[in-house]
Amino acid sequence: EIVLTQSPGTLSLSPGERATLSCRASRSVTSTYLAWYQQKPGQAPRLLIYGASSRATGIPDRFSGSGSGTDFTLSISRLEPEDFAVYYCQQYGSSPRTFGQGTRVEIK
Amino acid sequence: QVQLQESGPGLVKPSETLSLRCTVSGGSISGSYWSWIRQPPGKGLEWIGYIYYTGSTHYNPSLLSRVTISVDTSKNQFSLRLTSVTTADTAIYYCARGETLPYCGGDCSGWFDPWGQGTLVTVSS
Repeated sequence: EIVLTQSPGTLSLSPGERATLSCRASRSVTSTYLAWYQQKPGQAPRLLIYGASSRATGIPDRFSGSGSGTDFTLSISRLEPEDFAVYYCQQYGSSPRTFGQGTRVEIK
Repeated sequence: QVQLQESGPGLVKPSETLSLRCTVSGGSISGSYWSWIRQPPGKGLEWIGYIYYTGSTHYNPSLLSRVTISVDTSKNQFSLRLTSVTTADTAIYYCARGETLPYCGGDCSGWFDPWGQGTLVTVSS
């Protein structure tokens, strides 16, 4: 199975700052089949990005994804108060589908 | 738009069977892939498996011996059965739709969207 390792575990930033989250795969992800989700306390995950760089419907353009092969990045250009949450990457190019362990973006 | 809602017992005894149902509203269950995903309290996400509306399934090897996912297209529902549960199976269980991938050769469930709100299942005597 493909193991996804996210870093850092926690990112402490202030509103307005830029966030850069990393997701590294143990082997190449087929066809950039990688997604990013945001999860807030008590809520289900919400799709942000699919295909490594395509924003889901209704997702603000301050969220962007990039990468291919084994290295992927989620960037949030200017953090808004509602962006402080946990973010997960997930690959869907091979079975079993796997998730990273998550990066928590907290208010500094 | 499509919405999903999980239902089922919130408490299951060790060694017994966990059974959950996901009801799809706002759209047809036909033509899509449907997954179960779980999250132990305070931990990360684990994909359990998916079913196509035709009934074909794909499971996580880590749970293969204990899991069954089924679909009832007449009720727009799909279900999860997990046998011989232990306290390690305590988690929030989510159902979600998987986007259909092109040119996939049979393993065609893509990203998950939308998700149900989740239901907490506690395994305890």
